[in-house]
Amino acid sequence: GAVVSQHPSWVICKSGTSVKIECRSLDFQATTMFWYRQFPKQSLMLMATSNEGSKATYEQGVEKDKFLINHASLTLSTLTVTSAHPEDSSFYICSARTGNTGEKLFFGSGTQLSVL
Amino acid sequence: GENVEQHPSTLSVQEGDSAVIKCTYSDSASNYFPWYKQELGKRPQLIIDIRSNVGEKKDQRIAVTLNKTAKHFSLHITETQPEDSAVYFCAASISSGYSTLTFGKGTMLLVSP
Repeated sequence: GAVVSQHPSWVICKSGTSVKIECRSLDFQATTMFWYRQFPKQSLMLMATSNEGSKATYEQGVEKDKFLINHASLTLSTLTVTSAHPEDSSFYICSARTGNTGEKLFFGSGTQLSVL
Repeated sequence: GENVEQHPSTLSVQEGDSAVIKCTYSDSASNYFPWYKQELGKRPQLIIDIRSNVGEKKDQRIAVTLNKTAKHFSLHITETQPEDSAVYFCAASISSGYSTLTFGKGTMLLVSP
């Protein structure tokens, strides 16, 4: 099946620093990637949708300057949390989809971000 | 936009019992309904999905039913095992190249030995 790799799996950083999270589709070309945020015991909250070669579409309430998304190739999307603060601490997870998989989503393993 | 409601939020059953999780959706144009299982700290895994042209789909101990008229769909797990313990999410979307999945809030299933 389709495999999505996400790195790092966890990161601890100081307040004010920026953190980059990578999401890679290993055995397929992902035309669309999604970034979610998940709080403990809660559902997946869609942050943004990125299509290769175009700007990401952000959900209402998500700051595009805070959460920079780059989908520069068909196999890589990155999420950069800029000037991170403790309230940004969360589980971030990406997913990918391709025309061949239709509407099926394949998820990365997630990144637990802790901002001190 | 689409709104997906999921119930119950928690469900405790004894090993061997059946478990049923129900979801409703609001957008009648939605036609794709997947279910994901997420173990603690891990990625969601697709366990079964159904499209609107089908009323029921089964895969071993897991089945999903869909009622388009009432706009609700359910996950049925029979002969539950402790390893079925996880959070289950339902979702709905319009099947197209650029549609997004809307997830329910999740159900924490606990299967006791």
